[in-house]
Amino acid sequence: ETGVTQSPTHLIKTRGQQVTLRCSSQSGHNTVSWYQQALGQGPQFIFQYYREEENGRGNFPPRFSGLQFPNYSSELNVNALELDDSALYLCASSFRTGANVLTFGAGSRLTVL
Amino acid sequence: AQSVTQPDIHITVSEGASLELRCNYSYGATPYLFWYVQSPGQGLQLLLKYFSGDTLVQGIKGFEAEFKRSQSSFNLRKPSVHWSDAAEYFCAVGHMEYGNKLVFGAGTILRVKS
Repeated sequence: ETGVTQSPTHLIKTRGQQVTLRCSSQSGHNTVSWYQQALGQGPQFIFQYYREEENGRGNFPPRFSGLQFPNYSSELNVNALELDDSALYLCASSFRTGANVLTFGAGSRLTVL
Repeated sequence: AQSVTQPDIHITVSEGASLELRCNYSYGATPYLFWYVQSPGQGLQLLLKYFSGDTLVQGIKGFEAEFKRSQSSFNLRKPSVHWSDAAEYFCAVGHMEYGNKLVFGAGTILRVKS
């Protein structure tokens, strides 16, 4: 079975720009979650998508948005980038039902200058 | 609010020595508990999980963890550390009531000296 794949692995943006990060979920998984991991910190929950709808959101502003597609892949979009958005963005997939065992991708490292 | 505390930011152990990484949580109910490991530049790999039942759980790579309800703890242990165990370890809690959202601790960086 394929795992969770994320792209791009690294990218550099400037303040005010917009970015789109992509995630392909593990085969058989129908739920995708996004986490932000700032340097030296644990991952923080951004939001989760199930059946192409947002299904739970953490303490992140509306300029963080997402999509889930019929094949369960997902995008994370961040508008009006700020310096503090520099982080590793992790995508995780899981089954909607059952206990929440997440399978994580390797992440996308975003640097905002 | 749910929270996870990993009191040790860094731990250094000698290769072959035993290891214990501490994790305490604050949660409204008995949560699901997880330990993940992250190597530099990598994502998170699940080491082990506790949902219910036996409070001592076995994971991959020779790790185990014990859930102690009275102490709100879920400490990770390994009897003999290998140099390849050097990484950052994260404790996390979650619950079906909150969907698949996990709350993570800040992590403990493990260094192994030969």
